[in-house]
Formats: sequence, structure tokens, C-alpha cells
Amino acid sequence: NAGVTQTPKFQVLKTGQSMTLQCAQDMNHEYMSWYRQDPGMGLRLIHYSVGAGITDQGEVPNGYNVSRSTTEDFPLRLLSAAPSQTSVYFCASSYFEKSEAFFGQGTRLTVV
Amino acid sequence: KQEVTQIPAALSVPEGENLVLNCSFTDSAIYNLQWFRQDPGKGLTSLLLIQSSQREQTSGRLNASLDKSSGRSTLYIAASQPGDSATYLCAARNSGNTPLVFGKGTRLSVIA
Repeated sequence: NAGVTQTPKFQVLKTGQSMTLQCAQDMNHEYMSWYRQDPGMGLRLIHYSVGAGITDQGEVPNGYNVSRSTTEDFPLRLLSAAPSQTSVYFCASSYFEKSEAFFGQGTRLTVV
Repeated sequence: KQEVTQIPAALSVPEGENLVLNCSFTDSAIYNLQWFRQDPGKGLTSLLLIQSSQREQTSGRLNASLDKSSGRSTLYIAASQPGDSATYLCAARNSGNTPLVFGKGTRLSVIA
């Protein structure tokens, strides 16, 4: 049972480039979410999804897009990377919105 | 708006000591509270989930308590070991369509 899998683990982007952070879970969880973790700021919610085809914005959604075409996958797209998006990104999933959350190992992104 | 605070930000104890980590929250209308462990450069590992109807949850040497009226949760670690060294995060979830709100964590060092 792999749990929540994030790829890549590390990425360096130039300002203005786009990329997609992948997140997949094999636990048949309905609820998935993306967080960013910054020193001194803690974890902040970017976007979340309560099921396939349904997404919504979190606390810091600007500059990010998401879609949820399957239960298993919840990719996060950076449209035009900025240095302010340098962070560690975590994907999480749970059976439903208020059940125990499980996190992936994170993607460390640097935008230069 | 729910706010979660963890004090102290860092704690160092000798091996074998019993210790308590604190988590306080501003809105007592929580649905549940979850404790996580994060090792350096790694993801978050779920330790305990405590529902609003519960007063405590136990897993091995860990015991989490919840007091909604005072807005506090504690994580008790018995007979601490160097392997317990990590950052411990608590996160509160309110009723309704609200996400997990994280504290900034307590960095624990257990000295052999």
C-alpha cells in the first residue's frame, strides 16, 4: 500500500516556467488537498477537492491551478512560476473531509 | 477564524523523560484535532486523531488529550527516546466546510 505519492521530490524552475506537481493516492480517498510549507508560516492550504470533478480554493490559491479527473490523482499546476512560490509542497488525502489526513513526502520546489 | 498555537517552538529533554507538548486553539467548535510528526526533509506522519466527543486517544507511548472548553490539546510522550526527535504539529478542524488549520509546530530534541 503506497499511500500518498508525490513526484518529483525536488525541482528547480526558472521564473516564468510552468510545471505540474503530481499527487496520487491508492486508498480510494475522496478528499485530497495541497498545502505549502514555508519557514515561519506553517502549512497553508492551496486547493482542495472533495471528489472527482470538484475542486475549490484554499487560503493561498493564486498562481496555482488544480483539476480532479479521477479519484486517485490530484495534480497541482504552476502556470508561471515566481520566486515567491519557492516552498515545500505537500499533498494530503482522507476518506472524507473530516477524517484522518495522510500526507505525501513532499516536493521541494525552488524558483530562481 | 480558527488559530492554532504551539508553545514552545523548540524543546530539548534528556532521554527517558516524560514530556508534554502543548497545542491551543481559539475556536472551541472544533470537529477533531490531529497530531502529526515531521522528520527533517520528510512528510507529515499522522500520530493520533482525537474527535471532539473524545477526551483522549492513546497509541503506544503517546497519549493525546482534548479539552474543548479551555481550547487546549496536549500530546504526552512517555519515556522519551532519541528516535522521538522531530517536529510535532497539531492541526484543528472545525465543523462545516473548513480545512485543517495547523500550528507551527514544536521541534523536539531528545538527548541521549
